[in-house]
Amino acid sequence: GDSVTQMEGPVTLSEEAFLTINCTYTATGYPSLFWYVQYPGEGLQLLLKATKADDKGSNKGFEATYRKETTSFHLEKGSVQVSDSAVYFCACSAPLVFGKGTRLSVIA
Amino acid sequence: NAGVTQTPKFQVLKTGQSMTLQCAQDMNHEYMSWYRQDPGMGLRLIHYSVGAGITDQGEVPNGYNVSRSTTEDFPLRLLSAAPSQTSVYFCASSYSSDRMYEQYFGPGTRLTVT
Repeated sequence: GDSVTQMEGPVTLSEEAFLTINCTYTATGYPSLFWYVQYPGEGLQLLLKATKADDKGSNKGFEATYRKETTSFHLEKGSVQVSDSAVYFCACSAPLVFGKGTRLSVIA
Repeated sequence: NAGVTQTPKFQVLKTGQSMTLQCAQDMNHEYMSWYRQDPGMGLRLIHYSVGAGITDQGEVPNGYNVSRSTTEDFPLRLLSAAPSQTSVYFCASSYSSDRMYEQYFGPGTRLTVT
């Protein structure tokens, strides 16, 4: 079946540092790829998505590019803020299969 | 729109008790699903439904039952709770089961089984 592997956390960064969270997937066909974010005590929210190869999803300064040749969908942000502290989940569809999540802590 | 709602928010059960976790959505979504979230395990799919009257098993269905009598509601039943079912449960819905559509998540139910 489909599976998603993302880098283990936790990741601790200083404010304004560059963020990369790696994600690779195994799937048949051409899945859609997603990044979800979970803030403390809340449910998951969609952060960005890409539905075909070479698509770039972006939102709130975060970006991820659907790379079919490397089966990857790495999440990046050029300058993180304290408010970005959360758990980030990579997922592929469908039905949705999630990675185990990466906890990000940003310190001022 | 209220989106996806779940009740209760917190629940404590004794081993062997039964209960139903409620989930409802007001977006006329066809596809609904239940996940459990455990530390270090991410989210794992329990059951899902592609429309009223149609349900199927996910990755970890044992110990859980579901039904989908209406488009709006997708309750999750624990017939005989076990400590291994201590977890946070999330319900989600999507416009369709097509892979292009993102899912919307409820706020979660934190269940403890003693």
